[in-house]
Amino acid sequence: EAEVAQSPRYKITEKSQAVAFWCDPISGHATLYWYRQILGQGPELLVQFQDESVVDDSQLPKDRFSAERLKGVDSTLKIQPAELGDSAMYLCASSFGGSPYNEQFFGPGTRLTVL
Amino acid sequence: QQQVKQSPQSLIVQKGGISIINCAYENTAFDYFPWYQQFPGKGPALLIAIRPDVSEKKEGRFTISFNKSAKQFSLHIMDSQPGDSATYFCAAPWGSSNTGKLIFGQGTTLQVKP
Repeated sequence: EAEVAQSPRYKITEKSQAVAFWCDPISGHATLYWYRQILGQGPELLVQFQDESVVDDSQLPKDRFSAERLKGVDSTLKIQPAELGDSAMYLCASSFGGSPYNEQFFGPGTRLTVL
Repeated sequence: QQQVKQSPQSLIVQKGGISIINCAYENTAFDYFPWYQQFPGKGPALLIAIRPDVSEKKEGRFTISFNKSAKQFSLHIMDSQPGDSATYFCAAPWGSSNTGKLIFGQGTTLQVKP
């Protein structure tokens, strides 16, 4: 069964350092989402791509976060510099299209701890 | 900011019992309400979803009930099993967005005791 792949699974870093997360969506899925999930809360959308284009990044803290999906397939989310409050699970999801009715498939996430 | 309010925050049910989780949403242009299930160390996975041309959808032991006038929907788990122990999130489309953007509830941690 096709799955969304994410790496690394765990990342520990010190504040002010740069970190990067990678996501490989399910083959054929044009829409890719990055979410942040703080412990005990629901996922919060950071950025949405349709192919290589950003559809929504209204919730992305652009002073320190950046995301790209250069060839419209895999994607990278970067944080520079990391802050203590960035400690969270970062989830990637993909769907066939950007319709509200398309199921979003989530990866296992990257657990980030900022010390 | 648009919210989806989910309750209870945690729930303990005996094996064989009924688990009920409720969500209330604000205005949304698209009537599509999914429930996601998340096990520890895993990403959320779609459990069941309703497109409310109907007021109820049932899949096995899982049922979504929808009340459009009250802007509420709920998940019922019949004959709850220990394997159902997980965190459950309701979600709703974000406002008038037709891009697939979802807003999630805070989650309900369900523990089913053997």
